[in-house]
Amino acid sequence: DAKTTQPTSMDCAEGRAANLPCNHSTISGNEYVYWYRQIHSQGPQYIIHGLKNNETNEMASLIITEDRKSSTLILPHATLRDTAVYYCIVRVPEDVDSWGKLQFGAGTQVVVTP
Amino acid sequence: EAQVTQNPRYLITVTGKKLTVTCSQNMNHEYMSWYRQDPGLGLRQIYYSMNVEVTDKGDVPEGYKVSRKEKRNFPLILESPSPNQTSLYFCASSPLWNEKLFFGSGTQLSVL
Repeated sequence: DAKTTQPTSMDCAEGRAANLPCNHSTISGNEYVYWYRQIHSQGPQYIIHGLKNNETNEMASLIITEDRKSSTLILPHATLRDTAVYYCIVRVPEDVDSWGKLQFGAGTQVVVTP
Repeated sequence: EAQVTQNPRYLITVTGKKLTVTCSQNMNHEYMSWYRQDPGLGLRQIYYSMNVEVTDKGDVPEGYKVSRKEKRNFPLILESPSPNQTSLYFCASSPLWNEKLFFGSGTQLSVL
């Protein structure tokens, strides 16, 4: 099973901030949280990642709770082109033999409306 | 331009006819992996490779083979395709296993 839990879908008005939650309660101390998005059937695109501190880049901001059990991706001014499926991913490598494994989960379908 | 290149983009074949989907990256990445995507199921990992000559199974490896004889290439082989392997396939690479992934454009495979 995926190591993260995300809402199935959410709507956002164009120009408003979109806040996408993700629960990752089994995350270990050295694991980064990664966010990707997939527009229609294109290859997923990297958005941002973080470990403990909040992060910001030209695409989005990432807020990670102090206990690291959840995070929120923020799209500050959503546009119609931000309509996509957003995936939150963590790796929990208790077992070194599983370091290369990666589970995406179903993600959150975000629809930005005019 | 740094990229992950998959070929072909679309492929229609018949049951039992062996096929190979190629994946190549020009970024000298150590880690490469294959995923399939089916409606409502998200991306599921088929195989991954931590480096040359090192491959391992993901969550759905049945019916697939891979090889990693050189760093840049990671082909996906279907020895005897079946209709349940009709899917959208993505290849991805990253510098190391725990760094950000770069994805190819995908291969839409239909097995009749």
